[in-house]
Formats: sequence, C-alpha cells, structure tokens
Amino acid sequence: AQTVTQSQPEMSVQEAETVTLSCTYDTSENNYYLFWYKQPPSRQMILVIRQEAYKQQNATENRFSVNFQKAAKSFSLKISDSQLGDTAMYFCAFRTNFGNEKLTFGTGTRLTIIP
Amino acid sequence: DTAVSQTPKYLVTQMGNDKSIKCEQNLGHDTMYWYKQDSKKFLKIMFSYNNKELIINETVPNRFSPKSPDKAHLNLHINSLELGDSAVYFCASSPWGLGTEAFFGQGTRLTVV
Repeated sequence: AQTVTQSQPEMSVQEAETVTLSCTYDTSENNYYLFWYKQPPSRQMILVIRQEAYKQQNATENRFSVNFQKAAKSFSLKISDSQLGDTAMYFCAFRTNFGNEKLTFGTGTRLTIIP
Repeated sequence: DTAVSQTPKYLVTQMGNDKSIKCEQNLGHDTMYWYKQDSKKFLKIMFSYNNKELIINETVPNRFSPKSPDKAHLNLHINSLELGDSAVYFCASSPWGLGTEAFFGQGTRLTVV
C-alpha cells in the first residue's frame, strides 16, 4: 500500500519570501504520479502542480516548483515570492495509473503567509 | 460552467436520519469518487466508480451507499446518520487510466447533531 507523509503540520512565512513544503512517499511502483493540491479557506481543492515519475525534469508552474527525488521518494513544493493568497492547506498526493485509481493524500501542511 | 458540482454545500441533520448528497460532473470523465475529509483535514477515499461500476470500496460502513445512474453522476446516500459521520464529503472525477489529477467539487459539510 502506498503512504504519503507530510512532516510539517504548520508553516508560516513572510510575504514575498520563499517556502518549501516537504513530502515523502512509499511505494513499490515504478510508474506513478504525484500532485500538490491547495485547499484555501473556501474549502475548494485546487491542483497546484503535477509530476510524472518517469520524467526526470522537475515540474514548474509560475511561482510553484517541485524538487522530485525518485530514489529518495521525496517530492517537495517550493513557493517563490509568496503571496497572501497562498495561505491554505497544502496536500501532497500520490496516484498510480493502473488498476487502483485512487489518490492517496498526506496529512497536509497548513501554510500561513504573514503580511 | 462548474466542472464538478455537489449539492448541498451544507447539511445539518439529526442523528438517525437518512440523507443524500448529489454529485454531477460535466467533464466527460469515466471515473468518479467520494472522499471524506475529517475534522483534522485528513482526506480519505471512500468509493470510486468507473462507468457506473464500483471499483473501490474502502471499508466504509454499509450505511453509506453510493449510486451512479450514469457516468456523469455519483450520489451518496447515508442511512441512520451518526455523530461520527460529521465531516466534509468531496466528490471528484478524473479520466480513467491516464494518471491525471482528480477534479474536485466544492465539498459538502455534513453536521450531525
């Protein structure tokens, strides 16, 4: 069974600074997908970024980038130039692409951006 | 143009009642899910359906019964509600077999009193 671990329950950072959220996972699969989702106070689950395990290049989406270390089973999210609107819960998630299609989530990191 | 929509957004009900949450997606996806988010914000899969067929049932009490009349709809019926059922329930959808992300509805906050 796959497990996803987020070891930072809460983090805070000053506006405009850079913050890194950590995520590790455990799987015996070789092909899988990793995601970061954001859940602001509105409760909506919003995809931030996605990484395919077969791609060595780290995914980036504007101010958001990941550091994917497949051998170490690590998938951290870096938020650059943080903004007040980045305040949210952030969830790391894992998914295989055959058979069992569910997303397995980590326990989340509550990120607060301080003005 | 809501992609995944759930109704209602809020539901307050008494113990012992039966209630339903409805979900519809207009993305043309084959697979739909129900996730439960508890008070500590932990998200856990409950069910998944692919083209109206149950694929995943994660040891959920049989008081919870999903129903998929067609691949665009997945409803969740809960019998004999208990206090511990209070949570946020999310519907989601995704294409089958592509490893893409799931698209979530806005959640239904269920409060059992």
